[in-house]
Amino acid sequence: AQSVSQHNHHVILSEAASLELGCNYSYGGTVNLFWYVQYPGQHLQLLLKYFSGDPLVKGIKGFEAEFIKSKFSFNLRKPSVQWSDTAEYFCAVHLDRGSTLGRLYFGRGTQLTVWP
Amino acid sequence: EAGVVQSPRYKIIEKKQPVAFWCNPISGHNTLYWYLQNLGQGPELLIRYENEEAVDDSQLPKDRFSAERLKGVDSTLKIQPAELGDSAVYLCASSLGLSGEASDTQYFGPGTRLTVL
Repeated sequence: AQSVSQHNHHVILSEAASLELGCNYSYGGTVNLFWYVQYPGQHLQLLLKYFSGDPLVKGIKGFEAEFIKSKFSFNLRKPSVQWSDTAEYFCAVHLDRGSTLGRLYFGRGTQLTVWP
Repeated sequence: EAGVVQSPRYKIIEKKQPVAFWCNPISGHNTLYWYLQNLGQGPELLIRYENEEAVDDSQLPKDRFSAERLKGVDSTLKIQPAELGDSAVYLCASSLGLSGEASDTQYFGPGTRLTVL
């Protein structure tokens, strides 16, 4: 079965600290990778995505993620977090073939709390 | 442009009762998804529709769950009868295309939080 692991369940940072959230997946074929964010009281929103090409992808609000194929990882980073980044972050994987085409596999999420 | 609309936002029922959730996707979106999100977990796909056809329902527990998207627009997800373990958030999402490709971004609604007592 496919799986997506987010190792940090809850991360607490002060404003201006750097952020890195880990994401690993268990599929060896071609994957497409996503980070979604859910701000308090809001719905899931796409933060960034990787399909192919440059493994370093940039998203909204200063976030970026790096795809490392050899490590099956797609970690999310931000150099300097803000209080408004407090949210839950979900990593998701899309497999590019087979009967599961169109299905997103999500990790369990990481709750980020940023103190002002 | 309006996003994905879901109703109700919250529902509390007693076990063994039926319950239904409604979703209206973004206008023009051909693909509709229902996800289940248990507390402390990420969303898991229940069913995916392309227009009115259910093209991926392998994870829908068909003994008690059913879904329909009769005119290829809005959709209803039903549970009958509900069990305590069904307490969760039910998310609806939609996307524009029909191919299931990753490039077809999924847009999520606010979800319906179900509590079964």
